Amino acid sequence: DAGVTQSPTHLIKTRGQQVTLRCSPISGHKSVSWYQQVLGQGPQFIFQYYEKEERGRGNFPDRFSARQFPNYSSELNVNALLLGDSALYLCASSLVVWGGYTFGSGTRLTVV
Amino acid sequence: AQKVTQAQTEISVVEKEDVTLDCVYETRDTTYYLFWYKQPPSGELVFLIRRNSFDEQNEISGRYSWNFQKSTSSFNFTITASQVVDSAVYFCALIIQGAQKLVFGQGTRLTINP
Repeated sequence: DAGVTQSPTHLIKTRGQQVTLRCSPISGHKSVSWYQQVLGQGPQFIFQYYEKEERGRGNFPDRFSARQFPNYSSELNVNALLLGDSALYLCASSLVVWGGYTFGSGTRLTVV
Repeated sequence: AQKVTQAQTEISVVEKEDVTLDCVYETRDTTYYLFWYKQPPSGELVFLIRRNSFDEQNEISGRYSWNFQKSTSSFNFTITASQVVDSAVYFCALIIQGAQKLVFGQGTRLTINP
């Protein structure tokens, strides 16, 4: 079985641009969570979606948004990119809202 | 609010030495789960262990062992006879029952030198 897959693996964007990151959960997993990991720090929670509904949101500005599709895949959108948005964005899937989390390899976003 | 502290930012040891990574957590909730993840240079967080707050039994898996002590709010991780492949950043994390987010520590960068 495939694990959690994220695309793209690397991305370079310019300040002010918009970016969309994608995540496909493990087959059968209905929950997807997004985390931001700035260099040298632990991951920080951004969103959790379960059955296409937002179940939790971290302390991030409204420039960050996400959605989950009927096939349980998810997209994370970030508008008006800032230099400080440069980070590794990790997606995690789980069978239920509160359970074991399996992480993908992440998307490394660089904002220049 | 929950908090996880990994006081050791970096540890460097010679291969075959034993090494312990410390994790101290804070929560007022009585039901919670603690995790350890390994992050190699590739970036993926690799799950190592999950422990619930009602199970204080120590666990051993091969060269890895975990010591959970509620009295000191600690969940330490020991690697016995370390190997170069153990080199990575290790994260301790906490989630309380009913919550949606894992709260991570800052991580400990472990370097095993040949």
